[in-house]
Amino acid sequence: KQEVTQIPAALSVPEGENLVLNCSFTDSAIYNLQWFRQDPGKGLTSLLLIQSSQREQTSGRLNASLDKSSGRSTLYIAASQPGDSATYLCAVPSGNTPLVFGKGTRLSVIA
Amino acid sequence: GAVVSQHPSWVICKSGTSVKIECRSLDFQATTMFWYRQFPKQSLMLMATSNEGSKATYEQGVEKDKFLINHASLTLSTLTVTSAHPEDSSFYICSAREVLDQPQHFGDGTRLSIL
Repeated sequence: KQEVTQIPAALSVPEGENLVLNCSFTDSAIYNLQWFRQDPGKGLTSLLLIQSSQREQTSGRLNASLDKSSGRSTLYIAASQPGDSATYLCAVPSGNTPLVFGKGTRLSVIA
Repeated sequence: GAVVSQHPSWVICKSGTSVKIECRSLDFQATTMFWYRQFPKQSLMLMATSNEGSKATYEQGVEKDKFLINHASLTLSTLTVTSAHPEDSSFYICSAREVLDQPQHFGDGTRLSIL
């Protein structure tokens, strides 16, 4: 059964810092890996989708990498801003199963 | 991009009421739809998976008689919380996928509060 772990659980940084969020998964037979953002009381916003054949994806200040063989992904956020404050969720499907989510990293960027 | 519409976004009702939540895929045909539940400060937990025209598959611990799921068309799935009680208060999020190796697209969620 797929298990997804995210480290750290919470992170507080001053504005402008670069930061890395970590995600690990136990079953490497995945089609893709997705990173989402969730603001308090809101739904999910898809940030990046990495196909299993890819090693990284970039969108603006966000860069996600995938090492499928070791079961790891990282989300790099450059020059963090207070508006980046949210919970970041990593999720993977495996086989026929739907997305399995990690517990998320709660990010606070302090002005 | 693909859009999933979920309605209503907020529901407040009395204990014992049944509540229906709709999930629609607006610009693609959703072969499979998923229902997740999220308690405060927790991650999303899968409740059930439904394929169009088939009975839903429920995760362990989810009562199928309490959470009725219908996926009668390729663009609509409904979740009905029957005889809701305060412990059913949660954030319910639907998701839809066109085919197996395509990403899941998510609705904006429904916040259900049972008084």
